[in-house]
Amino acid sequence: GENVGLHLPTLSVQEGDNSIINCAYSNSASDYFIWYKQESGKGPQFIIDIRSNMDKRQGQRVTVLLNKTVKHLSLQIAATQPGDSAVYFCAENMGAGAQKLVFGQGTRLTINP
Amino acid sequence: GAVVSQHPSRVICKSGTSVKIECRSLDFQATTMFWYRQFPKQSLMLMATSNEGSKATYEQGVEKDKFLINHASLTLSTLTVTSAHPEDSSFYICSASRGFGTEAFFGQGTRLTVV
Repeated sequence: GENVGLHLPTLSVQEGDNSIINCAYSNSASDYFIWYKQESGKGPQFIIDIRSNMDKRQGQRVTVLLNKTVKHLSLQIAATQPGDSAVYFCAENMGAGAQKLVFGQGTRLTINP
Repeated sequence: GAVVSQHPSRVICKSGTSVKIECRSLDFQATTMFWYRQFPKQSLMLMATSNEGSKATYEQGVEKDKFLINHASLTLSTLTVTSAHPEDSSFYICSASRGFGTEAFFGQGTRLTVV
């Protein structure tokens, strides 16, 4: 369901390592998913998207995996850099004409030097 | 990517007054716009979805008479917080998309403080 009143989980990784951020989505009818990056005091920034007819999509240093069976989405960031430090959210576009873009709870990624 | 501009970026108002926040898509036509609010260290909570030329669809628990949304053109949506109270203080963010199931682009957000 939609996030209400939860504090963000945190993931800390060493610079240069790979990061995997996970997200459980709520609606089996959702047909489009987006990962966003949000830096402090700013609006979310698009990273990568994936449609429900795919299970993997790759971008520059990022890969999104979709497992519809368990309603799970993951974002893999290769060779993390200090600039990757931010909060990452998955969002699902609920299908069947609902036209709602709903966000997951988010994960704070911290890169250690 | 497409640009969405939100204005103002920060606003302080007195309790009981109303505040209008604008969301503009600068280089594309936005059929659908979303309004969110975000409390510190929390996720974005969808308030309402608006489609150009029709009434907004509000999420459960969001008072439509308090949070007035107007999407009068394909490039502009406004959110008016009426009779603001300190508990309305939050970060309000809009996003715009060309249509259902397409990428949504976000504005930079508006920090509202009600004193």
